[in-house]
Amino acid sequence: DAGVTQSPTHLIKTRGQQVTLRCSPKSGHDTVSWYQQALGQGPQFIFQYYEEEERQRGNFPDRFSGHQFPNYSSELNVNALLLGDSALYLCASSLGDRDVYSPLHFGNGTRLTVT
Amino acid sequence: QKEVEQNSGPLSVPEGAIASLNCTYSDRGSQSFFWYRQYSGKSPELIMFIYSNGDKEDGRFTAQLNKASQYVSLLIRDSQPSDSATYLCAVKDPNNNDMRFGAGTRLTVKP
Repeated sequence: DAGVTQSPTHLIKTRGQQVTLRCSPKSGHDTVSWYQQALGQGPQFIFQYYEEEERQRGNFPDRFSGHQFPNYSSELNVNALLLGDSALYLCASSLGDRDVYSPLHFGNGTRLTVT
Repeated sequence: QKEVEQNSGPLSVPEGAIASLNCTYSDRGSQSFFWYRQYSGKSPELIMFIYSNGDKEDGRFTAQLNKASQYVSLLIRDSQPSDSATYLCAVKDPNNNDMRFGAGTRLTVKP
């Protein structure tokens, strides 16, 4: 039973560039959430995708965008990178966007460094 | 802004002791509460969830929930050095169904 997979593992980008991160959810899951985790902080919610639509969004600028594909996999895009975007980006999957009891299962994350 | 608050620690306990981790949340309508463990450089791993007031036990772990006080705790009995990690408290927003995390408590278990 494949868990949540993310790629790439590490990424180094320059300020102003654009980046795309990818995620495949755990088998059987249909909802994907993205989080940003800065060093020493808890994960901060970016957005959630269900049925190929963005259902919820946290307090992140429009530079952060995403997509969900028919096979439930997802991408996170960040434009015009800033130094402050350096963080661990976590993808989490769950079953159903309305199931308040469904836990999140996390991938191993993508470590993004912006120089 | 709906908050989840944790003491950042670090919390240090000797091997074999009970570690007590605490969390408060601001949204009184919250219904589901989760504890995640995160080793340094790794992703969060689900260890416990609780929905009803009272205690829930799973091996050496006990989660406690008091909705009236908006308080969740995690007890780790017979703490082991391998329990040394950051413990994240998470609460699902009942309106939006997204999960909000506290900043985490760093636990060190000393041999």
